[in-house]
Amino acid sequence: AQKITQTQPGMFVQEKEAVTLDCTYDTSDQSYGLFWYKQPSSGEMIFLIYQGSYDEQNATEGRYSLNFQKARKSANLVISASQLGDSAMYFCAMRDPGNQFYFGTGTSLTVIP
Amino acid sequence: SAVISQKPSRDICQRGTSLTIQCQVDSQVTMMFWYRQQPGQSLTLIATANQGSEATYESGFVIDKFPISRPNLTFSTLTVSNMSPEDSSIYLCSVVLGSPYEQYFGPGTRLTVT
Repeated sequence: AQKITQTQPGMFVQEKEAVTLDCTYDTSDQSYGLFWYKQPSSGEMIFLIYQGSYDEQNATEGRYSLNFQKARKSANLVISASQLGDSAMYFCAMRDPGNQFYFGTGTSLTVIP
Repeated sequence: SAVISQKPSRDICQRGTSLTIQCQVDSQVTMMFWYRQQPGQSLTLIATANQGSEATYESGFVIDKFPISRPNLTFSTLTVSNMSPEDSSIYLCSVVLGSPYEQYFGPGTRLTVT
């Protein structure tokens, strides 16, 4: 069964606008971690933001925030004030209690000038 | 965080040959992973390489094809053996650092097999 679902293969956003990338996950564990990574065309995987399952506050890192809705098992990434350099693939991932990581299929974001 | 380097950054190899990819971390880490990312796809875990133990391979990956070494807490190698065009991928090493067990990736090795 797929652990991480990203339903948006591609997204477009106007420069300086905000965009939300969707991610839902499937687990019966109580303790887990949720991550978002950015992969530009160069291929490197850049860690963006982390949310622990017990964290009550939504994680924020600069222009990135994670909209964590535990009951709905969703962990959407919000990018505010989009920049041209934000154009990339974005992967949502979950870590289980055994430190196994599961990755979604990714969302390709294109920022339009 | 951790600074991770990989060598080579890219290579073009002939079918039937082997390539060894190196992964170096700037700090001692217990948990290290190797992933493959085929063109346009998500990441697939090849194996977990913890120092002091044999690598643990995921379903569909075998040691004869992807031998891994982990001689110390800062270094690992992955060899892609007897390559075929289907092995053309980005290969990424990653480390997991202590609580909250965040995973950081190396820059990747872009392999093309002709």
